[in-house]
Amino acid sequence: SAVISQKPSRDICQRGTSLTIQCQVDSQVTMMFWYRQQPGQSLTLIATANQGSEATYESGFVIDKFPISRPNLTFSTLTVSNMSPEDSSIYLCSVARANNQPQHFGDGTRLSIL
Amino acid sequence: QQPVQSPQAVILREGEDAVINCSSSKALYSVHWYRQKHGEAPVFLMILLKGGEQKGHDKISASFNEKKQQSSLYLTASQLSYSGTYFCGTELDNQGGKLIFGQGTELSVKP
Repeated sequence: SAVISQKPSRDICQRGTSLTIQCQVDSQVTMMFWYRQQPGQSLTLIATANQGSEATYESGFVIDKFPISRPNLTFSTLTVSNMSPEDSSIYLCSVARANNQPQHFGDGTRLSIL
Repeated sequence: QQPVQSPQAVILREGEDAVINCSSSKALYSVHWYRQKHGEAPVFLMILLKGGEQKGHDKISASFNEKKQQSSLYLTASQLSYSGTYFCGTELDNQGGKLIFGQGTELSVKP
């Protein structure tokens, strides 16, 4: 399976600031996804990162708050903008080679907002 | 649209068996199963495609009943390493591979 490097692994940020999370894969993948997971809860899909086009966002998530870039088939970033304490969570990227293929997850970014 | 998992939590003794169920209100294209240990990323276990598949490796297997829109994960002769939270992820037709995850089932295996 693909090796996924997600950075940073954790951060503590001030209210109103923005943080960009990086997801790097060691091989080309068709699909990349971004999830949010509150401690002890399920994974909620934020958006699908599409290479060469705008990300596709799920209900409740908007581009202005969570801009995503996908410049090539091995890299994506998620920015959490104008952060508030409610954004404190674990953010995970996942990759899949195609439909009906396993998703493999990065180790996640644990974000705390003061 | 979120699939429903049952039970929410289960405690086992080593060597005992468990079944975790995942039900959807919508027709499914595939079902994925993952295990997540505390503080770690989810780890892929298996994927089942529509067509009534049953898969397994080692002592963990799963079935997918397309008609009933549900999947079950079977853990037999459980080991301590099986402890963690199990999630099913469901994929609908023409959804570009995106998954909707159930709320999770916390499994604890005691010596």
